[in-house]
Amino acid sequence: EVQLMESGGDMVQPGGSLRLSCAGSGFTFSSSWMTWVRQAPGKGLEWVANIDQHGTEKYYVDSVKGRFTISRDNAQSSLFLQMNSLRAEDTAVYYCARDIRGYYDSIGFSDYFDYWGQGTLVTVSS
Amino acid sequence: SSELTQPPSVSVSPGQTARITCSGDALTKQYAHWYQQKPGQAPVLVIYEDSERPPGIPERFSGSSAGTTVTLAISGVQAEDEADYYCQSTDSSGTYPWVFGGGTKLTVL
Repeated sequence: EVQLMESGGDMVQPGGSLRLSCAGSGFTFSSSWMTWVRQAPGKGLEWVANIDQHGTEKYYVDSVKGRFTISRDNAQSSLFLQMNSLRAEDTAVYYCARDIRGYYDSIGFSDYFDYWGQGTLVTVSS
Repeated sequence: SSELTQPPSVSVSPGQTARITCSGDALTKQYAHWYQQKPGQAPVLVIYEDSERPPGIPERFSGSSAGTTVTLAISGVQAEDEADYYCQSTDSSGTYPWVFGGGTKLTVL
C-alpha cells in the first residue's frame, strides 16, 4: 500500500524558516517524481514544487522561487521542502504527492498526482 | 502559466448525473486530471488522462474531453459524492506547467 506522511508543519513568524518532510512507503520512491501542493485556508489547490527521481530537475511556482528548496533522500525514501523567508501568504496545508509523469509524442509530457499524504499545516503569523 | 476555469458550484439531486466542466486553452493539447476532496481530507485522484479511472474509483465517475473543455461526469450521484472537485493539467510549454482549476463544490440536494 502506497503511503505518504508529511511532518514538520508549525506556526512560525514572518521571515522565519521551516523544513517539511514527507516519508514514502509501499512503492519504489527512487523511481518517482514527487510534488508539493499547498492549500490556503478555505482556498483551492496550488502546485508548489516538484523534483525528478534523481533530485536533479526541480521546478517551483514563481511565488516561492528563491525562498523554497525541494530536495529528496532516496536512501531514506524521503522528500523535503525547505521554506525560508516565510510570508503570511505561505500559510496553508502542505501536501506531498507522488507525481506520475508520462511522455507522449503528441503533447510532450503530462503529470498527475496519484497518491497524497494527509498534509501538514504551516501557519505564518506574528 | 496556463489557466483552468471551473464553475464555483454545481448542485444535483441524488440519482441524477452531475457534470463539472473545466476550460482552458491548454486542454486542446494536454490531458486533464480530476481530484475529489472532502472536508478535512487530502485530495483523491478520480480521473486521469481525461477519461481513465484509477483502481478503486467507482464506475459512476467518468471523464471526457472536447476542444478546450473537459468534463467530469458522476452518474447516479450519491450523498457521499458531495465534495470539492479540482481539475489539473500540465502545459509543457508553460513556465511552470502544473496548474489546478479553482475547484467546484458539488452539492447533493
